[in-house]
Amino acid sequence: AQSVTQLDSQVPVFEEAPVELRCNYSSSVSVYLFWYVQYPNQGLQLLLKYLSGSTLVKGINGFEAEFNKSQTSFHLRKPSVHISDTAEYFCAVTESRGATNKLIFGTGTLLAVQP
Amino acid sequence: KAGVTQTPRYLIKTRGQQVTLSCSPISGHRSVSWYQQTPGQGLQFLFEYFSETQRNKGNFPGRFSGRQFSNSRSEMNVSTLELGDSALYLCASSLGPSNTDTQYFGPGTRLTVL
Repeated sequence: AQSVTQLDSQVPVFEEAPVELRCNYSSSVSVYLFWYVQYPNQGLQLLLKYLSGSTLVKGINGFEAEFNKSQTSFHLRKPSVHISDTAEYFCAVTESRGATNKLIFGTGTLLAVQP
Repeated sequence: KAGVTQTPRYLIKTRGQQVTLSCSPISGHRSVSWYQQTPGQGLQFLFEYFSETQRNKGNFPGRFSGRQFSNSRSEMNVSTLELGDSALYLCASSLGPSNTDTQYFGPGTRLTVL
């Protein structure tokens, strides 16, 4: 079984500062990794995903994430945040060899960007 | 191209009633999944459908059921509602059942059980 841990429930940061949202996963099998963002009263939007290849993945809105297999981590980063980045961010995994696209989500991190 | 549509957006029911939620996937998408989002349990997988067949089911009681139609639209039903069923129910669609296919989420249906 897989599980995802997002240790930070909330991350306050000032506008134009860099930010890192942490994600660690646990799995006995190979997984694919995802980051989703949820704005208030909206559904989830995919930011980026890691399937294979380069461990540094670039996504939309200037976000990127790095897959670290030895540390079982997939941290999300942005060099300079904007007020509009205020939202909840979810890390998710799915079994890479499974016959399902079921996603296992972390508990989410609220990114609060302050002016 | 229109996104995933979920109806209704908001719903208020009382305990013991039943409810049906609808999801229309993006045109051309044949796979639909449902998730429940609550403050306490977070995002939890409910069902996955492809070509009118349920491929996977999450750990929810039998009161939760779903189906998919030939046009890929999907419905989920919750019978004998309990207070704990209050949640945001999210539907996601993808081209196919592959776990490499990106899942696109709808805005959700917020169900309140009184």
